[in-house]
Amino acid sequence: DAKTTQPPSMDCAEGRAANLPCNHSTISGNEYVYWYRQIHSQGPQYIIHGLKNNETNEMASLIITEDRKSSTLILPHATLRDTAVYYCIVRPRSNDYKLSFGAGTTVTVRA
Amino acid sequence: DTGVSQDPRHKITKRGQNVTFRCDPISEHNRLYWYRQTLGQGPEFLTYFQNEAQLEKSRLLSDRFSAERPKGSFSTLEIQRTEQGDSAMYLCASSLRGGRQGLAGPYNEQFFGPGTRLTVL
Repeated sequence: DAKTTQPPSMDCAEGRAANLPCNHSTISGNEYVYWYRQIHSQGPQYIIHGLKNNETNEMASLIITEDRKSSTLILPHATLRDTAVYYCIVRPRSNDYKLSFGAGTTVTVRA
Repeated sequence: DTGVSQDPRHKITKRGQNVTFRCDPISEHNRLYWYRQTLGQGPEFLTYFQNEAQLEKSRLLSDRFSAERPKGSFSTLEIQRTEQGDSAMYLCASSLRGGRQGLAGPYNEQFFGPGTRLTVL
């Protein structure tokens, strides 16, 4: 599986957009970019995924660069409940059964 | 059915004892996964089932670990002769495999339970 690189931590002000970067320079054409988050003392929660087009759902937006070597997860209006560890995962299309988590980015939303 | 449930939520045991954890997946999900998470790290894959068949086991799953899913519904993870290094959060997830063979997609996202935190003294 392709490796991802994320900053270890970042702060965000409540009500502002949070932009979480992820580098995946070795991603191959059949690999998706997935984002999960884990709130303290809970299991990870799926947020969004994409292949090459930008994606948006009720939780977040995912922007993938044209060369697919990096992506950004955008939380449009961060709330205190968005404080969590965010994991960027690259997942082969044919290997759809397991998730390979890195250390993620610890996002702290401050009032 | 509101989600994946795990029991117990917390388990404290003495070194050398056996422990068993249970996971109840979302009812229509045919895939079930076990992960382990230590402090400050992301979850690590241990094993997964499709229906009752255990299809892959990680190198992390030593001979002291065994997982079952006898009827393709709930699953158990047993650790024999526990060691202090087994202390971790054990997470269960389930998903519904669908669509074309071998393809990832929105129908294949994994839903996680709250985990069982194991402390081995």
